Amino acid sequence: GQNIDQPTEMTATEGAIVQINCTYQTSGFNGLFWYQQHAGEAPTFLSYNVLDGLEEKGRFSSFLSRSKGYSYLLLKELQMKDSASYLCACMDSNYQLIWGAGTKLIIKP
Amino acid sequence: GAVVSQHPSWVICKSGTSVKIECRSLDFQATTMFWYRQFPKQSLMLMATSNEGSKATYEQGVEKDKFLINHASLTLSTLTVTSAHPEDSSFYICSARALAGEINEQFFGPGTRLTVL
Repeated sequence: GQNIDQPTEMTATEGAIVQINCTYQTSGFNGLFWYQQHAGEAPTFLSYNVLDGLEEKGRFSSFLSRSKGYSYLLLKELQMKDSASYLCACMDSNYQLIWGAGTKLIIKP
Repeated sequence: GAVVSQHPSWVICKSGTSVKIECRSLDFQATTMFWYRQFPKQSLMLMATSNEGSKATYEQGVEKDKFLINHASLTLSTLTVTSAHPEDSSFYICSARALAGEINEQFFGPGTRLTVL
């Protein structure tokens, strides 16, 4: 079956670095997405990886290893506004997004 | 980036009534639109996938007669919750995939919060 695993909740300190891991098993693979979702709002796109390696975009970076079925989202210089849920999603062979349950990130001062 | 709008943003209705939610892609044509439902503290749950001009494909467990989806044009899809009940209260989010998207990205609408009394 298809499965996306990510931690339920993580806590980090303002100014620090946090890495949110995601492992996946899908029927076919057409890329992995990371979305940020604040409470009561729709998800917003953060990153897309389809090739192995690291994609850097400002304070956020995303890594993919297709052979390991693994990705992580790295957030640097954490700010209070980064407190949100981070959703990992894989696009399968039918171009359907398979969603993880999300990781709630709590930032403490 | 591409913009997707949803209307209304929030709605309160009485049990037994029907509610229509509109999803529009404002600056691009969307061959495929997706409807999600999200309960508090849970992840997104795909309800159905709709392609312009054809019937929607519903996920297992989603009643097609209760959640009517129409995708009449490349920029508009509607979800009608018929005979709504309190258990239908949820956050409904649509997303749209561009006609020739470079990275097959889905663009999300802002969501509609439905409360059924």
